[in-house]
Amino acid sequence: AQSVTQPDARVTVSEGASLQLRCKYSYFGTPYLFWYVQYPRQGLQLLLKYYPGDPVVQGVNGFEAEFSKSNSSFHLRKASVHWSDWAVYFCAEGNMGYKLTFGTGTSLLVDP
Amino acid sequence: DMKVTQMPRYLIKRMGENVLLECGQDMSHETMYWYRQDPGLGLQLIYISYDVDSNSEGDIPKGYRVSRKKREHFSLILDSAKTNQTSVYFCASSFTGENTLYFGAGTRLSVL
Repeated sequence: AQSVTQPDARVTVSEGASLQLRCKYSYFGTPYLFWYVQYPRQGLQLLLKYYPGDPVVQGVNGFEAEFSKSNSSFHLRKASVHWSDWAVYFCAEGNMGYKLTFGTGTSLLVDP
Repeated sequence: DMKVTQMPRYLIKRMGENVLLECGQDMSHETMYWYRQDPGLGLQLIYISYDVDSNSEGDIPKGYRVSRKKREHFSLILDSAKTNQTSVYFCASSFTGENTLYFGAGTRLSVL
């Protein structure tokens, strides 16, 4: 069965510092991978998505993610974190079907 | 305006009562979803609907049923709610075959 692992339940970074949120997937075929963000008291919003091709994908608000088949990973990065990035980030995997498998989420806290 | 609307936003029910959660979308998406979100578990798929009267169980359908009589509207029903159904419920929608989901803001249900 497919699974998505986000090993860090909570990450704290200082404003202006760089960020990496980790994601590992277990699908053995060609994965379609996503990062969603959930701001307080809101639903999830798509940050970026990977369809097979360029391993580095750009998203909104300066986020990017890099796909690695050898490491089964799809880590999210941002060069300089802003206080407004304080949210919960979910990694998800879907094989172009109807169902997404979500990770358990990583809470990002930003120190001013 | 692309929107998924969930009603109500907050709901308190007693154990054994029936619960109706409603979801609407204005994007003419064929596919709609119900997820529940619990701490440490991420999002779990309850039901998926491919179109009117074309519904399929997700990963945790037990204790829930759904109804979709119009493409823009998808209901989640809990017959005789249980305390372990206390959760935040999210509705989402997408075009057929698309993994980009649009989420509502969620319904926080407490079953006492």
